[in-house]
Amino acid sequence: SQQGEEDPQALSIQEGENATMNCSYKTSINNLQWYRQNSGRGLVHLILIRSNEREKHSGRLRVTLDTSKKSSSLLITASRAADTASYFCATAGGTQGGSEKLVFGKGTKLTVNP
Amino acid sequence: EPEVTQTPSHQVTQMGQEVILRCVPISNHLYFYWYRQILGQKVEFLVSFYNNEISEKSEIFDDQFSVERPDGSNFTLKIRSTKLEDSAMYFCASTGQVLRTDTQYFGPGTRLTVL
Repeated sequence: SQQGEEDPQALSIQEGENATMNCSYKTSINNLQWYRQNSGRGLVHLILIRSNEREKHSGRLRVTLDTSKKSSSLLITASRAADTASYFCATAGGTQGGSEKLVFGKGTKLTVNP
Repeated sequence: EPEVTQTPSHQVTQMGQEVILRCVPISNHLYFYWYRQILGQKVEFLVSFYNNEISEKSEIFDDQFSVERPDGSNFTLKIRSTKLEDSAMYFCASTGQVLRTDTQYFGPGTRLTVL
């Protein structure tokens, strides 16, 4: 399966520091999406990066994608206490027009201490 | 900004009862999905729906599950005879003004508790 797996499983940092979360997957993809989930709540879409892109920015977020290593990273700069949440990567599709279903990883639980 | 909505936010039911979870996808989207997340576990794909039919389903989506788009706005997931292991958060998502592999926007979820 095109399973996404994040590491670390948990990350605790101080406000103002940067947080980096990594995601690895197994098969070819069309795109990779990062989501955020506050405890017990819904999934908020953060950013989508397509397989032909290497880096994308959105505000304090920076996502990279290395298709040769089948890995992605999410960097949150200048973290805030409000960034405390679980972060998931999810992969979609394949180069041969595969399924659009999202396959999620287990997530990284980020805690930003004030 | 348009968003996916889901009702109810929390549903408690007895084992063996039927439940219907409701979703209103983003209005100009074409592709609709249900996912579920058992407490503390990964989000899992259940089913995708396009052009009034199921386009893909997972092995979780067995005969007790069904989906329907009864009108132009609602998208429902029915569980015919609930089991204890159906207790989970159920998320609806929609996408695809153009590409089916575009961003999927999720609703806030329905927490289903089966007693």
